[in-house]
Amino acid sequence: GAVVSQHPSRVICKSGTSVKIECRSLDFQATTMFWYRQFPKQSLMLMATSNEGSKATYEQGVEKDKFLINHASLTLSTLTVTSAHPEDSSFYICSALRVATEAFFGQGTRLTVV
Amino acid sequence: AQTVTQSQPEMSVQEAETVTLSCTYDTSESDYYLFWYKQPPSRQMILVIRQEAYKQQNATENRFSVNFQKAAKSFSLKISDSQLGDAAMYFCAYRSAYTGNQFYFGTGTSLTVIP
Repeated sequence: GAVVSQHPSRVICKSGTSVKIECRSLDFQATTMFWYRQFPKQSLMLMATSNEGSKATYEQGVEKDKFLINHASLTLSTLTVTSAHPEDSSFYICSALRVATEAFFGQGTRLTVV
Repeated sequence: AQTVTQSQPEMSVQEAETVTLSCTYDTSESDYYLFWYKQPPSRQMILVIRQEAYKQQNATENRFSVNFQKAAKSFSLKISDSQLGDAAMYFCAYRSAYTGNQFYFGTGTSLTVIP
């Protein structure tokens, strides 16, 4: 089956620094990727939709300047959390859309800001 | 935006028994896709089953089947012969066939399998 690789799986950073999370579709091209945030025992909250070659579309309430998304190629999207603060600590998940009915998820990244 | 409702935050089932997880959704569209995803403790989201709204036949995947009631906007998941490995969080999701690409997820049902 299709594989989406998300890296790193865990990261701890100091408050005020930036962290980059990568999402790669390994065996298919994904024109669209999604970035989610998930709080403990809650559902996935869509942060933004990333389209290759164009600017990401952010959901209401998500700060564009804080969560920078770049979809530089058909197999790679990155999420950069800039000037991270403890409240940004969370589980971040990406998914890549292969066709209309198939979205594959990365393993997720647990971000801890200290 | 579409809404997806899972009214059962937690469910439990005895090993080898059958359990049904409920999901309802709200939409005015006629063509869409519905999904059940499983999220085990590893937190990797895994597709369990999907249903195209234009198909009347309920989807099945081995021990997993759905009861899709389009008029009632209901999409329940039945897990037969439950196994310990089925223990996970289950999310119902909706995706429009027309507008945008995003998935709308329900709040999830935590399934416990009792040995």
